[in-house]
Amino acid sequence: DQQVKQNSPSLSVQEGRISILNCDYTNSMFDYFLWYKKYPAEGPTFLISISSIKDKNEDGRFTVFLNKSAKHLSLHIVPSQPGDSAVYFCAASGGSEKLVFGKGTKLTVNP
Amino acid sequence: DTEVTQTPKHLVMGMTNKKSLKCEQHMGHRAMYWYKQKAKKPPELMFVYSYEKLSINESVPSRFSPECPNSSLLNLHLHALQPEDSALYLCASSQGPGLAGDYNEQFFGPGTRLTVL
Repeated sequence: DQQVKQNSPSLSVQEGRISILNCDYTNSMFDYFLWYKKYPAEGPTFLISISSIKDKNEDGRFTVFLNKSAKHLSLHIVPSQPGDSAVYFCAASGGSEKLVFGKGTKLTVNP
Repeated sequence: DTEVTQTPKHLVMGMTNKKSLKCEQHMGHRAMYWYKQKAKKPPELMFVYSYEKLSINESVPSRFSPECPNSSLLNLHLHALQPEDSALYLCASSQGPGLAGDYNEQFFGPGTRLTVL
C-alpha cells in the first residue's frame, strides 16, 4: 500500500513558466513533509519542507503548499529554469526517523 | 560542512566477495541511514542508526550488515550478494529524533553504484 503517491510520472514546462508538482498521502499520522530533487546517479538533494502546523512554506523560487483535509501537497517552482530539470520526490514522516518516499516526478524544463 | 560523503563511488563485486560501503558526515548529526534505490524507483529504507544504535531494520537480508563505529561513520558490509542486489546505495544523516526543528531533514550522500555479477 503506497502511503505517498505522486501520480504524475513526468511533467514538461517551458522555461520561465510555473511548474507544479503534486503529492498525495494516505497516512493521517504524517506530520512533516519534504521535497527532494535528484539528478541521475546522484543522491537526493533536500529542497524544502513543511510541518503540518503550516499550510505554506516559501524559499526563493520554491513554495510548498499543504492541504491537510485533502491530504495533498504541492511544490510550485516559479520561474522554472532548465537547471530545475530533475526527478522530484515527495517524502513524509510521522514523527519517527523513517521517511516514506513517493515514486517521483520527472520534471523537464524546456528552454 | 553540510556534506555526506560515500566511498567508493562505484563497486563491482562477485557473489562470493566480501566488500564494505562507507559513509561519513561531520554535521554532528545523530541519526544515519542506509537506503537502496533501484532505477526509476524511490529510495527504500534499509537501516537507521540513532545515537550509534540500530533503531530500524526494514527486514533486510543478513547478507547486508550495517555498522556504526562512531557518530560520524556508517558502514555497510556486504557478503554473498545476489545480482538483484545491484542498485544505488545511499547514505543519509539527520539531526536525529527528539530534537526541535527540522529534525527529519535528511541529507543524502552521492551514493555508491553497486553491481553484483
